[in-house]
Amino acid sequence: QQQVKQSPQSLIVQKGGISIINCAYENTAFDYFPWYQQFPGKGPALLIAIRPDVSEKKEGRFTISFNKSAKQFSLHIMDSQPGDSATYFCAASRRGTYKYIFGTGTRLKVLA
Amino acid sequence: NAGVTQTPKFRVLKTGQSMTLLCAQDMNHEYMYWYRQDPGMGLRLIHYSVGEGTTAKGEVPDGYNVSRLKKQNFLLGLESAAPSQTSVYFCASSYQAGLYTEAFFGQGTRLTVV
Repeated sequence: QQQVKQSPQSLIVQKGGISIINCAYENTAFDYFPWYQQFPGKGPALLIAIRPDVSEKKEGRFTISFNKSAKQFSLHIMDSQPGDSATYFCAASRRGTYKYIFGTGTRLKVLA
Repeated sequence: NAGVTQTPKFRVLKTGQSMTLLCAQDMNHEYMYWYRQDPGMGLRLIHYSVGEGTTAKGEVPDGYNVSRLKKQNFLLGLESAAPSQTSVYFCASSYQAGLYTEAFFGQGTRLTVV
């Protein structure tokens, strides 16, 4: 049962452009929403995360926007660079469970 | 600081063979997880453990068994491998305390069952 829906499946962006990846969730009990970045041949690594009591979190060129009423959150990568080319996973978790539900992933390619 | 280490990194099995994947973490984490990653399906939780001597089923546990005899190790076993178990397997670990815990992943094991 897929509880976190992620789109698009793949994304191609020119260098310097904005990359946007969207996720939607169903379970209103989720209270933590991290994004993981995975380079080829590597395991995923935490990129940025947000809690539902804020609408936006920014770390450098990476921003999470969160819409609690719509049950959606998105990752924005400003000034995208070829080094950002990777697969990005959104995830959600619920307090007390210590488990993450992952989206299906978005393969991002930034053209030089 | 090695973090989370998985062995082996690659393996080819014949249908019906058995094998064990080893995960070791040196961060003193209580929680450990096994995921499989398949194209278009993201990361799916197979089994997890909330402490030494405990294990629990995740989303896709059928065909797998696990053991957590030592806090730092989490083993994933395939008793009779099937082609449907061809996948990339990731182990992860996280701290016990807190609501918002980062999961640290290993580099993965690519398993092919022929």
